[in-house]
Amino acid sequence: SQQGEEDPQALSIQEGENATMNCSYKTSINNLQWYRQNSGRGLVHLILIRSNEREKHSGRLRVTLDTSKKSSSLLITASRAADTASYFCATPHNAGNMLTFGGGTRLMVKP
Amino acid sequence: DAGITQSPRHKVTETGTPVTLRCHQTENHRYMYWYRQDPGHGLRLIHYSYGVKDTDKGEVSDGYSVSRSKTEDFLLTLESATSSQTSVYFCAISGNRGAQTDTQYFGPGTRLTVL
Repeated sequence: SQQGEEDPQALSIQEGENATMNCSYKTSINNLQWYRQNSGRGLVHLILIRSNEREKHSGRLRVTLDTSKKSSSLLITASRAADTASYFCATPHNAGNMLTFGGGTRLMVKP
Repeated sequence: DAGITQSPRHKVTETGTPVTLRCHQTENHRYMYWYRQDPGHGLRLIHYSYGVKDTDKGEVSDGYSVSRSKTEDFLLTLESATSSQTSVYFCAISGNRGAQTDTQYFGPGTRLTVL
């Protein structure tokens, strides 16, 4: 079963617009990570937010975490065609170094 | 990119044949993982390793075995491939701190088709 569930499953926007993806999870966590996957490639780590952080920025990425609602959002501002990819949230498994990945959001940015 | 490679990158095989996928890293990371990725299921953990000869099962381990005889290599074996094992397989590695905040670095994937 998946700990994280992304919403929406697919998103299509125009270049320059903002893209928001949401992740909900079920159990308490001490951090949450976001990854990107370009078509036909492996996942690439984007950002990690800890449970004591509400918001974190990295370039055009903004991540929020609401532990009371067990949810996180990833905002990509001023999107570019190169942002076209699938985005996954990942939460720590109950044991050690394992991560549980959500089903992902497929983002298409049209030029 | 983290120094992680997978071989083969593509494989087509027949039901009932054994298949071994290899993951090789040059980062000296302690932890290694095998995932499968299927439409509608995201990434699911098959097996992982926390050191040489130390492995454990993940969420979908049935029909798979792994071995890690060296730090740099993690092998995934399908003893008798079935069509349900048609998938894209990803290897990942993570650092040596053993912390839940460790980032995972992924290989390029192996596309396996079982006819």
